[in-house]
Order: sequence, then structure tokens, then C-alpha cells
Amino acid sequence: EAEVAQSPRYKITEKSQAVAFWCDPISGHATLYWYRQILGQGPELLVQFQDESVVDDSQLPKDRFSAERLKGVDSTLKIQPAELGDSAMYLCASSLVTSGGPFFGPGTRLTVL
Amino acid sequence: GESVGLHLPTLSVQEGDNSIINCAYSNSASDYFIWYKQESGKGPQFIIDIRSNMDKRQGQRVTVLLNKTVKHLSLQIAATQPGDSAVYFCAENAGNMLTFGGGTRLMVKP
Repeated sequence: EAEVAQSPRYKITEKSQAVAFWCDPISGHATLYWYRQILGQGPELLVQFQDESVVDDSQLPKDRFSAERLKGVDSTLKIQPAELGDSAMYLCASSLVTSGGPFFGPGTRLTVL
Repeated sequence: GESVGLHLPTLSVQEGDNSIINCAYSNSASDYFIWYKQESGKGPQFIIDIRSNMDKRQGQRVTVLLNKTVKHLSLQIAATQPGDSAVYFCAENAGNMLTFGGGTRLMVKP
């Protein structure tokens, strides 16, 4: 069964350092999402791509966060510099209009010390 | 669904009983709804979806009911099993934007 892949699964970093997360969506899925989930809450959208284009990044803190999907397939989310409040689960998801979803990957658990 | 932080609403059921998890959504323009199951430390798992032109959809042991008049969504799980223990989120889609509710924790007692 096709799945969304994410790496790393866990990341511990110190504040002010840079971190990057990688996502490979389900093959053929044109829409890719990055969500942030704080413990006990529902996921909140950070950025949404349609192919290589950003369609919504209104909730992305652009002073420190960046996301790219250069070839319209896999994607990278970067935080620089990381802050204590960035500790959360970062989830990637993908969807295809005709197949429902989005479908989520396993997430990256970020801890900022 | 309103976020309640660390104190998620909890539904406790006996193994074998049916479970009903409820969700109030906010946007009358939402046309697509999804239920996700999330186990500790894992990403949300797609369970079942429903479009706004339907009021009921059934899957394997799960049924989703949609009442657009009162903007209410429910997930029914038949013969609840210990493996169903998780946090369940509803999500609504309007204009290709998906918004999650705050989640309900389901605990299954053996």
C-alpha cells in the first residue's frame, strides 16, 4: 500500500539551530501539505503545494520557516533558527482530487532544547 | 470542533459495544469531511470520508453520518475493539482547505 514517507522520525536540536524535514508523498499525488501538531490538538496547516506551486502559506511563520517542492514531487520544510515553541510533530500529507484524503505520513517529532 | 489543549474529551466504552464520536463543524461551505484515527506517536490515519451530497456512508465497522442542517458529523464504530483505542479527529474541507477539529480520545475497556 502506498504511503507518505517522512524523515527523520525524531529530531532533537538546540534553539537557534537550523533543522530540515523531508517528505515524499504518495506517487502521483499533486497536492502536498505540511502540518504542525501540538500535543493534544488537531493538526494545523503550515503550507500547501499544488505540484511545485505554493497555494497556501498564510499560516507559515515566514521569518523562520521555509518550504519548497522544486520538482513537484518531494518536499523539504526548514526552520532557521529553531525556537523552543517550535517543539511539535511535523506532519506531511498528500492527496489527489479523485482519491480523497489527504493521507498522512508518520510525522517528525521535533524537540527544541 | 474546538481545541481543548491537553484535556481531550474522552469516550470510554466496553469492548464489543458500539462507539459514537461526535463533531461539530463550523463552515457551512464545507463540502467534504474526513474522520482520522491517530495513535500515540503516529500520524493521522484516514478512516472514512463523506461528501456533502450524502448523509451517510458505511465502511468496515464504521459509519459516518452527516447532518448539514446542524453542522454535525458523527463516527460510529461497531463492536469496538481494543485496537480502536486512539484519538479521533474530524476534518472539514472548504475551498480546498482542510481544517481539523480538536479530537476525541476513545478508550476501550477489555
